[in-house]
Amino acid sequence: GQNIDQPTEMTATEGAIVQINCTYQTSGFNGLFWYQQHAGEAPTFLSYNVLDGLEEKGRFSSFLSRSKGYSYLLLKELQMKDSASYLCAVVDSNYQLIWGAGTKLIIKP
Amino acid sequence: ETGVTQTPRHLVMGMTNKKSLKCEQHLGHNAMYWYKQSAKKPLELMFVYNFKEQTENNSVPSRFSPECPNSSHLFLHLNTLQPEDSALYLCASSQDLEQREAFFGQGTRLTVV
Repeated sequence: GQNIDQPTEMTATEGAIVQINCTYQTSGFNGLFWYQQHAGEAPTFLSYNVLDGLEEKGRFSSFLSRSKGYSYLLLKELQMKDSASYLCAVVDSNYQLIWGAGTKLIIKP
Repeated sequence: ETGVTQTPRHLVMGMTNKKSLKCEQHLGHNAMYWYKQSAKKPLELMFVYNFKEQTENNSVPSRFSPECPNSSHLFLHLNTLQPEDSALYLCASSQDLEQREAFFGQGTRLTVV
């Protein structure tokens, strides 16, 4: 079966750095997405990785290792507004999106 | 404008009611999706439309009936739902089926009583 694993919940301190991990087992791979979803709002696109390595975009970076079936989202200089759920999703060989259950990130002052 | 607009934002319905959810996208996308989001579970893909044609139905009960009159509009008709159908229903669109960067609407919070 196809599976995406990410931690259910994480807590971090304002101003710090946090890494949210995502591991996947899918039939084929055509890219990995990270989305941010604030409570009661729509998921919004953060990043897309299809090649190995680190993609940096401001305070957020996303890393992919296809051989390990692993990705992480790195958030630097955390702000209170970063409190949200972070969803990992993989595009399989049939271009189906396989979703993780999301990681709820709680930022404390 | 958000690009993908869903109405209503909140809906409470009895088990004998019929209601419809509406989704509209202004992005010129060809593919549209309905997802169900329940607490602490992965997004569940319900239906996929591409160029107005349904391409996927992921074993969704017949009490959910989608309709796609054109590439910009998508409806989800609800008929005699169960309390376990209470969830956030999200509409999304993408350029096409292979460009899966999805743009989501803000969802309809559905409560079945």
